[in-house]
Amino acid sequence: ETGVTQSPTHLIKTRGQQVTLRCSSQSGHNTVSWYQQALGQGPQFIFQYYREEENGRGNFPPRFSGLQFPNYSSELNVNALELDDSALYLCASSPTGVRTEAFFGQGTRLTVV
Amino acid sequence: GQQLNQSPQSMFIQEGEDVSMNCTSSSIFNTWLWYKQDPGEGPVLLIALYKAGELTSNGRLTAQFGITRKDSFLNISASIPSDVGIYFCAGQSISSGSARQLTFGSGTQLTVLP
Repeated sequence: ETGVTQSPTHLIKTRGQQVTLRCSSQSGHNTVSWYQQALGQGPQFIFQYYREEENGRGNFPPRFSGLQFPNYSSELNVNALELDDSALYLCASSPTGVRTEAFFGQGTRLTVV
Repeated sequence: GQQLNQSPQSMFIQEGEDVSMNCTSSSIFNTWLWYKQDPGEGPVLLIALYKAGELTSNGRLTAQFGITRKDSFLNISASIPSDVGIYFCAGQSISSGSARQLTFGSGTQLTVLP
């Protein structure tokens, strides 16, 4: 069984640029969520995708957007990067059904300079 | 954003000692999850709890879903050096769009001394 994989692992971008982060969900999981984890804090929910549609969003501006593909993989796009966007971005996949625990990838460390 | 109240913030214990940490919330959750995160890695799921009052074990780890559905605790017995890391609690709720989102605590940094 393949776990959740994210790419790239590290990324450095300049303020104002755009970035795309990628995630492959765990085999059999059709729900993908994205979280932002600032240094020293717990992860914060950005949004969730199910059947290629966004079905929930946290307190993040519209410049954070995403996609889910038919194979359940997902992308997180961030436009007009700000210094405060520097964080670990985590992707989590979940199965549907009674037990919906989320399994996380290793994350992408984004640094905005 | 909203976060759960997780305590203690950090712990220094001797190898072999037992550890206890807990989370409280002003909101009710349907599911409580406990994760461990090592530096530079994503959180790894330790235990999932689905019913109020549920007590679940995973090896030396035991966690409980509080009766009020607003709290949970995690115990680690007979700690070993590889228990070092940051432990997070997370409550799962269903958003207006039907998303199952997790709200995380601020973490407990555990250090095990030889």
